[in-house]
Amino acid sequence: DQQVKQNSPSLSVQEGRISILNCDYTNSMFDYFLWYKKYPAEGPTFLISISSIKDKNEDGRFTVFLNKSAKHLSLHIVPSQPGDSAVYFCAAKSGTYKYIFGTGTRLKVLA
Amino acid sequence: DVKVTQSSRYLVKRTGEKVFLECVQDMDHENMFWYRQDPGLGLRLIYFSYDVKMKEKGDIPEGYSVSREKKERFSLILESASTNQTSMYLCASNRGAKAFFGQGTRLTVV
Repeated sequence: DQQVKQNSPSLSVQEGRISILNCDYTNSMFDYFLWYKKYPAEGPTFLISISSIKDKNEDGRFTVFLNKSAKHLSLHIVPSQPGDSAVYFCAAKSGTYKYIFGTGTRLKVLA
Repeated sequence: DVKVTQSSRYLVKRTGEKVFLECVQDMDHENMFWYRQDPGLGLRLIYFSYDVKMKEKGDIPEGYSVSREKKERFSLILESASTNQTSMYLCASNRGAKAFFGQGTRLTVV
């Protein structure tokens, strides 16, 4: 049973427009949520995170929104750039060790 | 910045071989992890370690073992490699909320 779901395997967006990547979770005990970006043949790199006690966190072009009542988080990238094309993984953290990852969304930003 | 280094980027091994994947981190993190990434399945936890010589099974430990003799080094061992272990293997370490990943090892078992 998947506790963290990314229901869109892929997304295409025009350069300069907003990219919105979504993630749903089932466990209300998760205390942190993170987004990672992954290029082919490389390890995931940390992008942005949000504590479960907040509903928004912003870092430059990246904003993560958390809706606890809906158990939903989203990553907004604006404006999208061709270099943002990658696979994005949503992750939820429970306790000290446990990270649960979604299956990823492949973002393609079209020039 | 945290550096997590995996010893090989690409490996090709034969079925039945014993395979060692090495990972080193330079930030004195207590916790280290091994994941595998497969298309459509995301990242799945194989094993993690919260201290030297301490380990716990993750979600898919079958066919794997680990070793942590020093704090900075965490090794993943495939006792007898099989073709279904062909995958991207990712090592990570964490302190606090963020986990930091190595560059990955693409293992092909033929």
